Amino acid sequence: QQPVQSPQAVILREGEDAVINCSSSKALYSVHWYRQKHGEAPVFLMILLKGGEQKGHDKISASFNEKKQQSSLYLTASQLSYSGTYFCGTARIQGAQKLVFGQGTRLTINP
Amino acid sequence: DSGVTQTPKHLITATGQRVTLRCSPRSGDLSVYWYQQSLDQGLQFLIQYYNGEERAKGNILERFSAQQFPDLHSELNLSSLELGDSALYFCASSVVQAGGYTFGSGTRLTVV
Repeated sequence: QQPVQSPQAVILREGEDAVINCSSSKALYSVHWYRQKHGEAPVFLMILLKGGEQKGHDKISASFNEKKQQSSLYLTASQLSYSGTYFCGTARIQGAQKLVFGQGTRLTINP
Repeated sequence: DSGVTQTPKHLITATGQRVTLRCSPRSGDLSVYWYQQSLDQGLQFLIQYYNGEERAKGNILERFSAQQFPDLHSELNLSSLELGDSALYFCASSVVQAGGYTFGSGTRLTVV
């Protein structure tokens, strides 16, 4: 039931682009994306809802393919501040009581 | 400051002991969620409360329990502690159950 994220880790140079994927074997209602820096709390980035409604962050975009039950997070022209571990959290029904989080993708941005 | 307050920030205790972690949600948020994060691991869902009522349970051990009080703050009680219970415990809150979570800064529990 836990979504699977890929890749597990990625290293980029500042200015490069990254794509992080999140896949579920079950039908989903919503996908959330969070970023966590080491030793800190996860911070909400974006939510994608079944039916295409999207809420989130201006500098980061994402997509949700309902047929494949897959979401992708797009980080363009990466900045040093983008470094951290990215988690997707999934909910299977509207008004779901909990999010099930993937194992995380560690993103390192080097100068 | 995210608006979600967790206390204490750090806790060191011995095996077999009992501790209580406290969470005050962001103003206006009715849902409170507890997650456990072990070293370099993902976020494991423990339990959720909505406006004082338990709404969902994850793989929470019988030694763990929680409650949400009328003022909406929540407490997570961990008893008969074992070394493996050492982890970061996060509380999160949301306005509605389909909204984004706001996480607190966590309580780092070390069992020695």
